[in-house]
Amino acid sequence: SQQGEEDPQALSIQEGENATMNCSYKTSINNLQWYRQNSGRGLVHLILIRSNEREKHSGRLRVTLDTSKKSSSLLITASRAADTASYFCATAGGSARQLTFGSGTQLTVLP
Amino acid sequence: EAGVAQSPRYKIIEKRQSVAFWCNPISGHATLYWYQQILGQGPKLLIQFQNNGVVDDSQLPKDRFSAERLKGVDSTLKIQPAKLEDSAVYLCASSLGSQGLAEETQYFGPGTRLLVL
Repeated sequence: SQQGEEDPQALSIQEGENATMNCSYKTSINNLQWYRQNSGRGLVHLILIRSNEREKHSGRLRVTLDTSKKSSSLLITASRAADTASYFCATAGGSARQLTFGSGTQLTVLP
Repeated sequence: EAGVAQSPRYKIIEKRQSVAFWCNPISGHATLYWYQQILGQGPKLLIQFQNNGVVDDSQLPKDRFSAERLKGVDSTLKIQPAKLEDSAVYLCASSLGSQGLAEETQYFGPGTRLLVL
């Protein structure tokens, strides 16, 4: 079963705009990760946020985590056409040795 | 640094046939994962190896799927016999850690796209 659910399922924006994707999950977690998948390719790790962190930045990416609401958001600022991809959140709970992926958000950045 | 290698990239078979996928993880990575990704969904873990031992295979349909990781390096995933619902992308990933914790970054291969007719 999939723990995380991304919202929206699909998002289309103009180049230069910001893109925000949300992830909700059901059980308590140890950390939450975001991955990107370009069409026909494997997943690429973007960023990890631990359960005791509220916000994290990496380049044009900003991730927030609200454990009380069991939700996370991924913000991509100043988007580029190359950001077009599917974005997945993945959660790990307790001493879990595995990640559980959500269903993903398909982002399209129009030039 | 070479990435995770997978072959073949594409495979078309008829139902009830068998198929095998191969994965070569990043050198030195102790943990290896096989995921199934059905179109429009996120990856679902099938099996996780720590060196050549199985850590988790709770979501592996063991009546038809099998996997091995000989000598703790390369791995093969086999489906026998295949069903229509096995059509998916099979992703292999590896991570560095000796403890196989979920906090580690996983590095994914390009996947094998399987179509069962």
